[in-house]
Amino acid sequence: EIVMTQSPATLSVSPGERATLSCRASQSVSNNLAWYQQKPGQAPRLLIYGASTRATGIPARFSGSGSGTEFTLTISSLQSEDFAVYYCQQYHNWPYTFGQGTKLEIK
Amino acid sequence: EVQLLESGGNLVQPGGSLRLSCAASGFTFSSYAMSWVRQAPGKGLEWVSAISHIRGISYYTDSVKGRFTISRDNSKNTLYLQMDSLRAEDTAVYYCAKDLDWYVDWGQGTLVTVSS
Repeated sequence: EIVMTQSPATLSVSPGERATLSCRASQSVSNNLAWYQQKPGQAPRLLIYGASTRATGIPARFSGSGSGTEFTLTISSLQSEDFAVYYCQQYHNWPYTFGQGTKLEIK
Repeated sequence: EVQLLESGGNLVQPGGSLRLSCAASGFTFSSYAMSWVRQAPGKGLEWVSAISHIRGISYYTDSVKGRFTISRDNSKNTLYLQMDSLRAEDTAVYYCAKDLDWYVDWGQGTLVTVSS
């Protein structure tokens, strides 16, 4: 099983600033990686797939990069609605696996 | 508009069984793979199982292999998850999601609690 490790566990950032979230795979997943945002009491929302392709309707301030084992989700200028938990997910090998999440909180 | 509506969650004793359902609408159900993802209380997301739309090939995470069975009824536009030999660690909100690899569309989830 591919283990996905996200860092940091919690990230404190001020509104308007940039946030950088990391995701590392225990072996190469090529570019078969997705990012999700989840707010309390809600289902996850797809942000990025293919490591860098924004899903429909996702604002341009969200961007994904990386390939192989190292990936990054960048939110260029944080808005109040962006404070949530973020998960990466690999879909390269079965079983698919998620990272443990990064909580993005207001500084 | 895609709609996924899970049902069947309940309180069940360890060792018991439960069948979850996910009623789909707003898309051609038979043309899409479907998946289950769960989330234990206060914890992260865990991919559980998926089933292809062609031939119904199924996939499972290791912790549920041999205990859970995913299936689909394309005539009823419904996805199922049969859960047997339930354990306390299976306690979670179970989401169904459309597609195989990444998930745009999710249901609202159904809560399964395994406790005596």
